[in-house]
Amino acid sequence: DAGVTQSPTHLIKTRGQQVTLRCSPKSGHDTVSWYQQALGQGPQFIFQYYEEEERQRGNFPDRFSGHQFPNYSSELNVNALLLGDSALYLCASSSLLNNEQFFGPGTRLTVL
Amino acid sequence: AQSVTQPDIHITVSEGASLELRCNYSYGATPYLFWYVQSPGQGLQLLLKYFSGDTLVQGIKGFEAEFKRSQSSFNLRKPSVHWSDAAEYFCAVGPYSGGGADGLTFGKGTHLIIQP
Repeated sequence: DAGVTQSPTHLIKTRGQQVTLRCSPKSGHDTVSWYQQALGQGPQFIFQYYEEEERQRGNFPDRFSGHQFPNYSSELNVNALLLGDSALYLCASSSLLNNEQFFGPGTRLTVL
Repeated sequence: AQSVTQPDIHITVSEGASLELRCNYSYGATPYLFWYVQSPGQGLQLLLKYFSGDTLVQGIKGFEAEFKRSQSSFNLRKPSVHWSDAAEYFCAVGPYSGGGADGLTFGKGTHLIIQP
């Protein structure tokens, strides 16, 4: 079982650019959640996808959007990057019937 | 709205000594409680979880946690720490299952330092 995988591992962008991060869930899971973890902080919930639809969203602006594909993998898109978007972005997968979330290793995004 | 408080930002413990990390939560319904551990630059690894049943739950790596509803607490314990336990520890609360549920709410974490 490969667990939750994320790509890329690291990414450097400049302000105003757009970025796409990718996540493949653990085998058997149908729900993908995305979190932002700023340096020295706990993860903050961005949104959750199930059946290719956003079913719940945290307190993040519309610049943050996502997508879920039929194979349950997911993308996180961030437009018009700000310096404050620099963080570790974590993907977690779970089953809708059981909210035990398994996390991937994360993507470290640096915005210059 | 739900919240999680981890009162201790840093804790230093000698190797072989016992450990207790504190977690208090606020949640409107029956909570699903978690402890995760994060090593530097890594993702989160689930140590243990609680939803119902026995209020003392056992996890991996010799950790356990006790749910106390009256105190809204879910403290993590280990009888004897090892140098490899040095890491960041996060307590989280969330709904058990779907049906309009939110993602997990995390505390700010406790940084555990192990002294030789």
